[in-house]
Amino acid sequence: NAGVTQTPKFQVLKTGQSMTLQCAQDMNHNSMYWYRQDPGMGLRLIYYSASEGTTDKGEVPNGYNVSRLNKREFSLRLESAAPSQTSVYFCASSDALKASSGNTIYFGEGSWLTVV
Amino acid sequence: GENVEQHPSTLSVQEGDSAVIKCTYSDSASNYFPWYKQELGKGPQLIIDIRSNVGEKKDQRIAVTLNKTAKHFSLHITETQPEDSAVYFCAATNSGGYQKVTFGIGTKLQVIP
Repeated sequence: NAGVTQTPKFQVLKTGQSMTLQCAQDMNHNSMYWYRQDPGMGLRLIYYSASEGTTDKGEVPNGYNVSRLNKREFSLRLESAAPSQTSVYFCASSDALKASSGNTIYFGEGSWLTVV
Repeated sequence: GENVEQHPSTLSVQEGDSAVIKCTYSDSASNYFPWYKQELGKGPQLIIDIRSNVGEKKDQRIAVTLNKTAKHFSLHITETQPEDSAVYFCAATNSGGYQKVTFGIGTKLQVIP
């Protein structure tokens, strides 16, 4: 079972370059998320998509854009990369539209991005 | 919004000993508290969860307790093994219109053989 697949796994960018992180899930989940993980900061939500056709800002959206291409795919774009965006990025998905159902969030393996 | 505090940030225990990680949350409306384990180079993976109508839940060597009044919840790992070495995240789910999960900063657990 593939689960949540994200690409690329590693990327080095120069300041000002743009790139898109791709994510796909094969669990027929409604909700998808992009998190970044930094030392001492835990996991912080960048953007989420509660269902196909909708996207909303999370805790740290500045410098990012997202596209929910269809139910399976949710991409994260850095339009003009900055060194502060050096981080590990995780795509995730869940079946819950309502928090009360408390469904599990499934994470991808992560994408290590370095901006120099 | 929700704020989740987690401690300690690092924890070293001898193999066979117990490990306890504690979290507090701020939003009294949060009603679902999962714990995730992240192994090196991998994404976090759910290991146990607890809902607000339950005070304790156990699954083999791991258990979670919840004190809603004090807004505390804890992860207990007994008889630790080297493969328990990982980063553990607690989280709290806001009961808003979608599953918005707020994570703690993580605890790096090292089990010394």
